[in-house]
Amino acid sequence: DIQMTQSPSTLSASVGDRVTITCRASQNIYDSLAWYQQKPGKAPKLLIYKASSLESGVPSRFSGSGSGTEFTLTISSLQADDFATYYCQQHYGYWTFGQGTRVEIK
Amino acid sequence: EVQLVESGGGLVQPGGSLRLSCAASGFTFSSYEMNWVRQAPGKGPEWVSYISSTGRTTDYADSVKGRFTISRDNAKNSLYLQMSSLRGEDTAVYFCAREGQFDHGDYWGQGTLVAVSS
Repeated sequence: DIQMTQSPSTLSASVGDRVTITCRASQNIYDSLAWYQQKPGKAPKLLIYKASSLESGVPSRFSGSGSGTEFTLTISSLQADDFATYYCQQHYGYWTFGQGTRVEIK
Repeated sequence: EVQLVESGGGLVQPGGSLRLSCAASGFTFSSYEMNWVRQAPGKGPEWVSYISSTGRTTDYADSVKGRFTISRDNAKNSLYLQMSSLRGEDTAVYFCAREGQFDHGDYWGQGTLVAVSS
């Protein structure tokens, strides 16, 4: 199984901050990496797929980069609606997810 | 508008069975691969099972292999998960999710809660 490791597990930030979350795969997954946002009691919402492709309707302040085993999600200017938990997911094989990064208000 | 609506969750005793359903609308269901994903309280998502668009190919996480069965009825635009020999560690919200063009999960249902307890 492909293991996904996210860091940090919790991130404290303020509105307007630039935020970066990292995800590492246990083997080469090329660009088969997605990012999701999840709020309490809701389903994960797709933000990014194929490492850097922005899902339709997702604000442009979200961006993804990386390939192989190292990936990042960047929020260029954090908004109030962005406080949530973020998960990476590899879609190279059967899905596996990172353990999540909770973005909380500083 | 793409919609996935799960149903069938509830409280079940250890060793019991439950059948989850996922009703799809707003897209050509028979053209898409589908997955079940679960999320235990306070934990990250965990992939459970996959089914191809025709239903001929299926696969399961090791944690549920031999106990869960995924199926679909393309005529009814529906996905199913038959769960048996349920354990406490199966307690979770179960989501159905569509696989997009690049095998990522592009649409998810709202989830249905399965609680296994005596």
